This record gives sequence, C-alpha cells and structure tokens, in this order.
Amino acid sequence: DAGVIQSPRHEVTEMGQEVTLRCKPISGHNSLFWYRQTMMRGLELLIYFNNNVPIDDSGMPEDRFSAKMPNASFSTLKIQPSEPRDSAVYFCASQDTNQPQHFGDGTRLSIL
Amino acid sequence: AQSVTQPDIHITVSEGASLELRCNYSYGATPYLFWYVQSPGQGLQLLLKYFSGDTLVQGIKGFEAEFKRSQSSFNLRKPSVHWSDAAEYFCAVLNNNDMRFGAGTRLTVKP
Repeated sequence: DAGVIQSPRHEVTEMGQEVTLRCKPISGHNSLFWYRQTMMRGLELLIYFNNNVPIDDSGMPEDRFSAKMPNASFSTLKIQPSEPRDSAVYFCASQDTNQPQHFGDGTRLSIL
Repeated sequence: AQSVTQPDIHITVSEGASLELRCNYSYGATPYLFWYVQSPGQGLQLLLKYFSGDTLVQGIKGFEAEFKRSQSSFNLRKPSVHWSDAAEYFCAVLNNNDMRFGAGTRLTVKP
C-alpha cells in the first residue's frame, strides 16, 4: 500500500502566484480531507470530500482557496493569489467509512 | 457538542521514565478512539485504535492506551520513554464517520 501521496513536498513561491497542491488518496478510500497546520493555529480542517463530492468547506479561509476532486484518485488544493500568511504545512488524508484517517507527509508551503 | 480535549499542551519527561498523555472526549455514545504521533517534518501516523472489546489496546512503538468509559478518557501510556519518542501526539475520535482531533500534546524527552 503506497499510502497517501502528496506533491510537492516543499513549495516556495512569491506572493501573488498561484499555488496548486496535489493529493493521491489510498485506493478504495471514499473520503478525502485537506488540513492546514501552523504553530499558531495547530491542525485545521479546510475541506473534505465524500465520494468525490465536497461535503464541508466551512474551514476554507477565503475565496482565494479552492479544492477539487475530479475523480476518486486525485484531488487538488489551489490558492490564487497566494499571500505570506498562507505559509503552512498542508496535509491531505484519506479514510474508508468508519475507519481512521491516513495522512500524507504534507506539503510545506512558503510564500515570500 | 462533540469535542476532544487534550489537557496538556506540552509535557517533558526524562528518557527511561514512564509517560501518560491524557485525552478526554465528549460524545453521547462511545466513539471509536485513536492516537496519532507526528514527528517533526512528518505527517500524522496512527499509533493505535480502539473500536470495542478489551479496553487496553496495544499499539506500535511500545505504546498502549486504556479506554475508561466512566471517565470518558483514552489516555496514552508508555512504560519507558526513548529519546526518539519526542514528537506531537494527537488524540482523535470517530463517531458516525465524523473524525475530530484534539489540539495535540508536544512531548519533549530529556537525556
């Protein structure tokens, strides 16, 4: 089992640029989650999908953030335009029904 | 409202000493319970889980946790801590496919 795969592992870009984070969930899992982790705010749930459908996006900070899941094996989290305060580690996790979530290794994002 | 509480933000123990990390939950029914560990620069890794049955569950890396229904607790323990156990530990509960995480406890291990 390859686990949850996130790319890139690190991203450094200038403010105003578009950033796209990618996630491949574990095959067969039907839910996918995007989290943001910072020292100040800890682990925050941004959005989650069930069977590729967004269920709860109340954690998405603002309209600059968007997420898609075009199929069961791929999801993206996009920030456009990016700002320095978006700097954080972004985690993707996937889950089978009533089973624990499995996390990727995260994308460390730095916006200069 | 459903909630998961980890009362200790930061704990320091000496290498070789025993460890207990606290977790309390607030749910109407008994949820499924988990502990995760996050080492620096890594994602969250599942340490152990409780679904039902024996209230003392064993996990990886020598950790165990005990579910106490009367106290709504699921504390994590290890008899002898190693320096490599320094990390952030998260308690989590799963109820009706809704998973919630505690705020985390950061463990520092003194030589």
